[in-house]
Amino acid sequence: DTEVTQTPKHLVMGMTNKKSLKCEQHMGHRAMYWYKQKAKKPPELMFVYSYEKLSINESVPSRFSPECPNSSLLNLHLHALQPEDSALYLCASSQEPGRETQYFGPGTRLLVL
Amino acid sequence: SQQGEEDPQALSIQEGENATMNCSYKTSINNLQWYRQNSGRGLVHLILIRSNEREKHSGRLRVTLDTSKKSSSLLITASRAADTASYFCATDGTGGFKTIFGAGTRLFVKA
Repeated sequence: DTEVTQTPKHLVMGMTNKKSLKCEQHMGHRAMYWYKQKAKKPPELMFVYSYEKLSINESVPSRFSPECPNSSLLNLHLHALQPEDSALYLCASSQEPGRETQYFGPGTRLLVL
Repeated sequence: SQQGEEDPQALSIQEGENATMNCSYKTSINNLQWYRQNSGRGLVHLILIRSNEREKHSGRLRVTLDTSKKSSSLLITASRAADTASYFCATDGTGGFKTIFGAGTRLFVKA
């Protein structure tokens, strides 16, 4: 199984809402990533988890809160988002942190109203 | 700052023609990867080339790496309409944990 799954596929939320994005992989990968991608732009790294511990936070605002409950799951909790946070949020995993091929999920398209 | 820069930004060709995309980067790398992204979907890994390799092939793909010029190229031969997508180079940069994507090339293959 070489699949990374993400739910939901689409999400519309207001600026006062709290929602969560979910990512799951069953490849035994020990690194998981969150990226944000705006239209016609490359993915921008947000967070890296290595062996279930947060190893990189690319100065992401605290309204984004990552969580890694176990080695297969990665969540991104959203609270008090701004319209400019609307984007495609991509999850990825790799066997080991860094320097390795990353496997991407299909993404969650988020619209903040 | 963006590690990789790609050119052209967009490329439109006829089916059957070859497509060449270039990527330049700024710092030393351990490897460079190319990914494809169909419109609004996740990225798919195409090929990885290590810093001690100069050329690599995978099916209709050919990747070159010139570490002295800090540049790489992706050649897609005999293109098909299904190759229409955005193509990104990605480098690991120093430290290894981060993957930094170039701006990408949008390829349109006309049937």
